[in-house]
Amino acid sequence: AQTVTQSQPEMSVQEAETVTLSCTYDTSENNYYLFWYKQPPSRQMILVIRQEAYKQQNATENRFSVNFQKAAKSFSLKISDSQLGDTAMYFCAFLSYNNNDMRFGAGTRLTVKP
Amino acid sequence: DAEITQSPRHKITETGRQVTLACHQTWNHNNMFWYRQDLGHGLRLIHYSYGVQDTNKGEVSDGYSVSRSNTEDLPLTLESAASSQTSVYFCASSESTGAGEKLFFGSGTQLSVL
Repeated sequence: AQTVTQSQPEMSVQEAETVTLSCTYDTSENNYYLFWYKQPPSRQMILVIRQEAYKQQNATENRFSVNFQKAAKSFSLKISDSQLGDTAMYFCAFLSYNNNDMRFGAGTRLTVKP
Repeated sequence: DAEITQSPRHKITETGRQVTLACHQTWNHNNMFWYRQDLGHGLRLIHYSYGVQDTNKGEVSDGYSVSRSNTEDLPLTLESAASSQTSVYFCASSESTGAGEKLFFGSGTQLSVL
């Protein structure tokens, strides 16, 4: 079974600075999807960014970008120009082509400080 | 607007009682999922359904059951609640066409078993 590891339980960053959240995963499959979800204090899960494994180009969504290293099975999230509203739990997730069983990491709690 | 709603938002119950958590989506999605969220574990899959009358066990299904009598609803039942089932429960749905579809989440149910 696939596993997803987020090795940073908590992180903090100053407003307007850049922060990178780490994620590694373990799979024997070649085709899959990776996601970053954000969970603010409201508890709502919000999709931040999505990456298809067959695409070499790293996904980008405004201030959010990923560094996808397929050989290393690494999928880090970079947040540029951090804003107070970025304070949240961030979950990395893996989805196989073969099923709809999305696997999540344990999460990283990010605090943006003014 | 289409949405996915969970009820109740908070629930307190006693050990041994049967509890049912409701999930209703108006996206007309075939896929529906139940996850539990615990500190240090992220989200773990309990049960899922790919359509009416279809149910499948996830990673942590013991003590839980689901039924799918229509497209919109996937209620989660705890047959005999245990303190270990104190958690935040999330329902999610996704389209069935192809893999890699993002999950749409409800706002969660905080369940406390005393």
